[in-house]
Amino acid sequence: QKEVEQDPGPLSVPEGAIVSLNCTYSNSAFQYFMWYRQYSRKGPELLMYTYSSGNKEDGRFTAQVDKSSKYISLFIRDSQPSDSATYLCAMGQYYGQNFVFGPGTRLSVLP
Amino acid sequence: DAGVTQSPTHLIKTRGQQVTLRCSPKSGHDTVSWYQQALGQGPQFIFQYYEEEERQRGNFPDRFSGHQFPNYSSELNVNALLLGDSALYLCASSLVFSGDSYEQYFGPGTRLTVT
Repeated sequence: QKEVEQDPGPLSVPEGAIVSLNCTYSNSAFQYFMWYRQYSRKGPELLMYTYSSGNKEDGRFTAQVDKSSKYISLFIRDSQPSDSATYLCAMGQYYGQNFVFGPGTRLSVLP
Repeated sequence: DAGVTQSPTHLIKTRGQQVTLRCSPKSGHDTVSWYQQALGQGPQFIFQYYEEEERQRGNFPDRFSGHQFPNYSSELNVNALLLGDSALYLCASSLVFSGDSYEQYFGPGTRLTVT
């Protein structure tokens, strides 16, 4: 079992839809959770950062962490074609540790 | 405020050669991490530098080495290149002591092709 799992997609949705992206993980010691957006042939761009469990909202993006289920989610409301990218989840165990990444989910938002 | 910068953008090398990639961290950051991202995969951690020392290392052979300079910039060196080393090499910077917020910012990457 991989340490971080993520459905690779591709996921295609119509413009304006609510998108749900998810990751599961096996290491219960993970405390730091991040979501990155990566456009083709570019570096990952930090979208959301969450420490421990709970929800965090930033504009159209909401990140949720459920440590009891070892499950994290990213919701995108009112999705736009410019949201078409690969979304990577990443997580770490302790402060300053390197992150473990999921393989990424490729999202296409169709106009 | 300059973000993370990397050079070169693209590089083509032959098997057996050596390569050096460079990274300048985001202004104010003191820690640099290097990742390898194969096509269609998530980034894989190579190593992390802080205070000019390698602090953490992922599961990569000794052919991969690095350095951090007093101005916090960093180099990644790969010796005896293999075809399997072809990937996007990403540099990420962070600040060791910033309260609870441990955020890591990535550069645009260097795409290395080994032929």
